[in-house]
Amino acid sequence: EPEVTQTPSHQVTQMGQEVILRCVPISNHLYFYWYRQILGQKVEFLVSFYNNEISEKSEIFDDQFSVERPDGSNFTLKIRSTKLEDSAMYFCASTKRGEDTEAFFGQGTRLTVV
Amino acid sequence: GENVEQHPSTLSVQEGDSAVIKCTYSDSASNYFPWYKQELGKRPQLIIDIRSNVGEKKDQRIAVTLNKTAKHFSLHITETQPEDSAVYFCAARLSSFNKFYFGSGTKLNVKP
Repeated sequence: EPEVTQTPSHQVTQMGQEVILRCVPISNHLYFYWYRQILGQKVEFLVSFYNNEISEKSEIFDDQFSVERPDGSNFTLKIRSTKLEDSAMYFCASTKRGEDTEAFFGQGTRLTVV
Repeated sequence: GENVEQHPSTLSVQEGDSAVIKCTYSDSASNYFPWYKQELGKRPQLIIDIRSNVGEKKDQRIAVTLNKTAKHFSLHITETQPEDSAVYFCAARLSSFNKFYFGSGTKLNVKP
């Protein structure tokens, strides 16, 4: 069964450093998402991406965040200057279409900012 | 925007008993409601979903009911087994947006 894969599984970084979280969505999917889950809290939407551009973003997704699909397979989330409060589990997801279809989630990257 | 509330936050049942997890949503435009199971350290996995044109859906021991008027939907697990122990998340998706709004999760513990 096809899967969304994320790397690394765990990233520890110093506050103020840049991090790039990587995702390989399912190959025939067209919509890509990043979500995050702070420990003990809800899974929160960050951004959606379609046709090589952001289609929607939340208020969490400020200028410190960016997403990119640098090639035909990878989908990355960059945090430019990490803060302690960025520590969370980051999930990538993809869907075949934009509406009304199952979202497949990656296994997550646990980001710890120290 | 949409707001999804989920209860209870933890649920402990004896093996063989039923478990019910409830969610409410705020935006009547939501039309797709998946349930995800997340085992410790693993990805959320879709276990069942329901669309707004359906009131109930069943898949073996798992069922989901949707009350559009009251804007709530529930997950029912019958004959629970220890391997059902996990965190369960409900979610709602607005028809015109391509993102999910998640509930806060329910930690289900099935005692053998």
